[in-house]
Amino acid sequence: GAGVSQSPSNKVTEKGKDVELRCDPISGHTALYWYRQSLGQGLEFLIYFQGNSAPDKSGLPSDRFSAERTGGSVSTLTIQRTQQEDSAVYLCASSLGPQANYGYTFGSGTRLTVV
Amino acid sequence: DAKTTQPTSMDCAEGRAANLPCNHSTISGNEYVYWYRQIHSQGPQYIIHGLKNNETNEMASLIITEDRKSSTLILPHATLRDTAVYYCIVRVRTNAGKSTFGDGTTLTVKP
Repeated sequence: GAGVSQSPSNKVTEKGKDVELRCDPISGHTALYWYRQSLGQGLEFLIYFQGNSAPDKSGLPSDRFSAERTGGSVSTLTIQRTQQEDSAVYLCASSLGPQANYGYTFGSGTRLTVV
Repeated sequence: DAKTTQPTSMDCAEGRAANLPCNHSTISGNEYVYWYRQIHSQGPQYIIHGLKNNETNEMASLIITEDRKSSTLILPHATLRDTAVYYCIVRVRTNAGKSTFGDGTTLTVKP
């Protein structure tokens, strides 16, 4: 597609359940990023994938969070045993490459609500 | 990546130019300046970026001082739809990896 696609757009889950969030980057974009944004807050970096290199996981807040990127394209962010503090908008972005002269294109995000 | 400092909020009258400042006094020679904006309930949108020279595109102009320690994003004729949070970030030129977004400037365009 022309843009970064994220699904679902909204997800309500019960505390303790696992959730999977999906990101389809722009075709040909080798770099993929996950951020989250809590209500009224700025963007918090979670994880970064570049090609076949090992991902930069330095922003994952706990071991309940994991992400994978299959075939250098689609990425899935998994949150296990969700907690109420996980409620946020999860944003995915992709760029043509890791170089700084390539800007990010963001998706519309997945709004996760843990009840 | 160098840290950036932006005012928390600004107002602008509709139809007038909006000038959003950003300080990046610790920027190094191989770091780009990027601007994004986030309209309520949407993902951030790329606006413009530059290294040393001033840049202009269909959305905005970016003015970078000669010493590169600060920059200004200019929206030449602000509209109500330009009301958003504007983020200024810097990125290392090669293998930039993740970007750190600060709190940005909330620009409110008023009729």
